[in-house]
Amino acid sequence: EAGVTQFPSHSVIEKGQTVTLRCDPISGHDNLYWYRRVMGKEIKFLLHFVKESKQDESGMPNNRFLAERTGGTYSTLKVQPAELEDSGVYFCASSQEDYSGANVLTFGAGSRLTVL
Amino acid sequence: GQNIDQPTEMTATEGAIVQINCTYQTSGFNGLFWYQQHAGEAPTFLSYNVLDGLEEKGRFSSFLSRSKGYSYLLLKELQMKDSASYLCAVWGRYGNKLVFGAGTILRVKS
Repeated sequence: EAGVTQFPSHSVIEKGQTVTLRCDPISGHDNLYWYRRVMGKEIKFLLHFVKESKQDESGMPNNRFLAERTGGTYSTLKVQPAELEDSGVYFCASSQEDYSGANVLTFGAGSRLTVL
Repeated sequence: GQNIDQPTEMTATEGAIVQINCTYQTSGFNGLFWYQQHAGEAPTFLSYNVLDGLEEKGRFSSFLSRSKGYSYLLLKELQMKDSASYLCAVWGRYGNKLVFGAGTILRVKS
């Protein structure tokens, strides 16, 4: 099966511009997660979708970030306007089940965002 | 809250055994994961422990002690391709998400 696909792999934009990152999860996975890794720091949770619904968006930094998952398939993460501190690698992950126990997340290779 | 600690870097020799430790403090616990990440690639799942004890999977083993908030990843017969970042992550009981440590960069030398 195809893995989690993210696009673009790398984006370089200027401060104040807008960027949209896309994630295609594994087909049939209801759970979709966005994470971010800022240089030198740990991978941090941004938000979690179950199908098209936002289950938890407690990790979203501020209202410049907007995530959508229309139709419960692919997801987009828009940053508008981008700031220097938004630079980092944005990872998407998906998993199949949402039950009370833990489940294994499959990650994409990430979208590296550089804000100049 | 959750706090996960692991060494920043380790170096080991090809063919040897290395143990990467991870300690955690969480408000709830529902499993501990280890992921491997090569530079520029996706983190890939290695192992999962929810009960105390050792889980063995080929050259890789993972141990968990819930009472001590402690886990380790054991890599045997090290190969050059094992050079990567190893990420310890905890699944909390409250909140359906993985929380990661900063990762341990393992360098395997010949």
